[in-house]
This record gives sequence, C-alpha cells and structure tokens, in this order.
Amino acid sequence: DIVMTQTPLSSPVTLGQPASISCRSSQSLVHSDGNTYLSWLQQRPGQPPRLLIYKISNRFSGVPDRFSGSGAGTDFTLNISRVEAEDVGIYYCMQATQFPHDTFGQGTRLEIK
Amino acid sequence: QLQLQESGPGLVKPSETLSLTCTVSGGSISSKDYYWGWIRQPPGKGLECFGSIYYRGTTFYNPSLKSRVTISVDTSKNQFSLKLSSVTAADTAVYYCARRHKDGGAYDIWGQGTMVTVSS
Repeated sequence: DIVMTQTPLSSPVTLGQPASISCRSSQSLVHSDGNTYLSWLQQRPGQPPRLLIYKISNRFSGVPDRFSGSGAGTDFTLNISRVEAEDVGIYYCMQATQFPHDTFGQGTRLEIK
Repeated sequence: QLQLQESGPGLVKPSETLSLTCTVSGGSISSKDYYWGWIRQPPGKGLECFGSIYYRGTTFYNPSLKSRVTISVDTSKNQFSLKLSSVTAADTAVYYCARRHKDGGAYDIWGQGTMVTVSS
C-alpha cells in the first residue's frame, strides 16, 4: 500500500494570507507511463469532496487560480495564494498511481484565525 | 451538467449485504473516458476507495476490500451499483459514488453521499 502523509493536520490561517499543505507518499508516485497521479480535493463542511488539482498541478474546471499544486516523486504541495472564507474545510491528497488501490492522505483542516 | 445520486437503505443489519445504486444524470455512463467508482468515509474519518467500473463492465477493485465487494453497471438505466457483503459496525460510513477520469486519474464529479449505518 502507498501511504499518504499530510502535514500539518490543522492549519489556522488569516484571511488574505497564503496557506500551504504538504503531502508525502511512502513510495514514488511516478507511474510506468511517466505520469504522476497525485490529486488534491477539498471537502467543505457537510459537503462531498471536490476535485481541485489533478496530476500534481492541473487545476480542474472552475477551480480558482489561487489554488496551485507542485511537487514530484514523493513530495507534493498544495498552495493557496490568498485564503478566502469559503476555503475553510478539509483538504486531502490522493494517489492514483497504484490504481485500483487509490489511497488518500488523512486530511488537513484549514481554518480561519 | 453531470450529476450523480446515491440511493439505498440507510440501515443495514450486521452480517447482511449493503446495496447501493448511483444514478448518473445529465450525461451518459457509457463514456470511454471515465470509470465510475465508490468511496466511503466513516464518521469523522478519512476517505477509502472500493474500486471502479468501466461502462463495458470491467471492474477494478481495491485489493484491501475485494473479497466483500461487487460493483456492477446497468447502462440501460445509466446506473452503477455497489454490494458489500458481511457488513459490521466498521462499515458504518457515508458512501459516495464518483466519476473517475481515466487519463487524469482523479475523481472529478462526486455524488452528495448517503449515510449507511450498520446496526441490529
């Protein structure tokens, strides 16, 4: 199993300030096809998860450009350039390189200070 | 726009089989670009994938849960289904169906989720 570890588990942020969430995988997420199947999802309170980023850095349709993803191999980062109130929720990284054994990180709770 | 909606019993007895259906609206399940998957989230916990199915019936199961899981598809109804056998209280969770992009490797459209409680 590929274990996904996120840090921090909780992130208090001031509105308008940047936020950063890290995700580390227990083994490289580079697939034999050359792609890295690492995505980021947001789960607002009481809502289903919502896809933000796929294949490390590709923003999904409709996702604001203040969200960006980066990284390679086993270390990945989700950045929010300027946090807004609607960004409160839990953020998950997910690996799909080992499909069908996709696995998620344990989640990072983003809250406003 | 494409929407997914889970349906099924909210309460299942221990040792019985949990059965859920996901209805796809606003688009066809018979798309060559997507798989259709099931994910669950126990109360206050993280996310766990069961697996996915292609519209032609090819299944891809998470090895950790494979022995108890069956995913099927009915293209005539634009639906796909999950069966989880021999349930215990540990299977109590919100169950989501979701569309998985084949090339992107991500679940891009999710249903609202349905809460299933396992209790006698």
